[in-house]
Amino acid sequence: AQKITQTQPGMFVQEKEAVTLDCTYDTSDPSYGLFWYKQPSSGEMIFLIYQGSYDQQNATEGRYSLNFQKARKSANLVISASQLGDSAMYFCAMRGHLRNNRLAFGKGNQVVVIP
Amino acid sequence: EPEVTQTPSHQVTQMGQEVILRCVPISNHLYFYWYRQILGQKVEFLVSFYNNEISEKSEIFDDQFSVERPDGSNFTLKIRSTKLEDSAMYFCANTRGNEQYFGPGTRLTVT
Repeated sequence: AQKITQTQPGMFVQEKEAVTLDCTYDTSDPSYGLFWYKQPSSGEMIFLIYQGSYDQQNATEGRYSLNFQKARKSANLVISASQLGDSAMYFCAMRGHLRNNRLAFGKGNQVVVIP
Repeated sequence: EPEVTQTPSHQVTQMGQEVILRCVPISNHLYFYWYRQILGQKVEFLVSFYNNEISEKSEIFDDQFSVERPDGSNFTLKIRSTKLEDSAMYFCANTRGNEQYFGPGTRLTVT
């Protein structure tokens, strides 16, 4: 079974600043995938970024990057140059070794970007 | 980004009524998922569906729930007799490569 932990309280970040959202995980699978999703107030779940456990490099996708530290079992999301539209809940999720396994989610981090 | 669509966007129903939530997944993808999110809580897995069969289900997915792919494209989640605690956002999802894409969700309110 997979377990995802997101424990940060709600965060306020100044526009144009970077923000790091913490995610730690636990699994017994030898390989796995890590995901981040954004959920704005409208409710949809928007896929942001994916990191495979055997990927050699940290994943990046535009302003999003994933700071993957396998030994520490952490997969922190870094949002650079925050924009007002980044205000949302952010969920970390993980999937077991099979590509089509279900996702297990953390409780989420609330981010509010202030001008 | 590939698009998964869901209907309706919001449904209000009375306790004990049956509801059917619909999803049109990304074409040519074989794995489908339903998740739910009770207001203010994390997203929870309900069921995965492959090749017209349930491949995995969670403890939440009891006899009140069923899934079908009735016409080869739409993918439905049925709740036979809704309870107040079924009020939640229900998401359909699809896998493409390593990535899992979610539909916009159906907000179910049981009164």
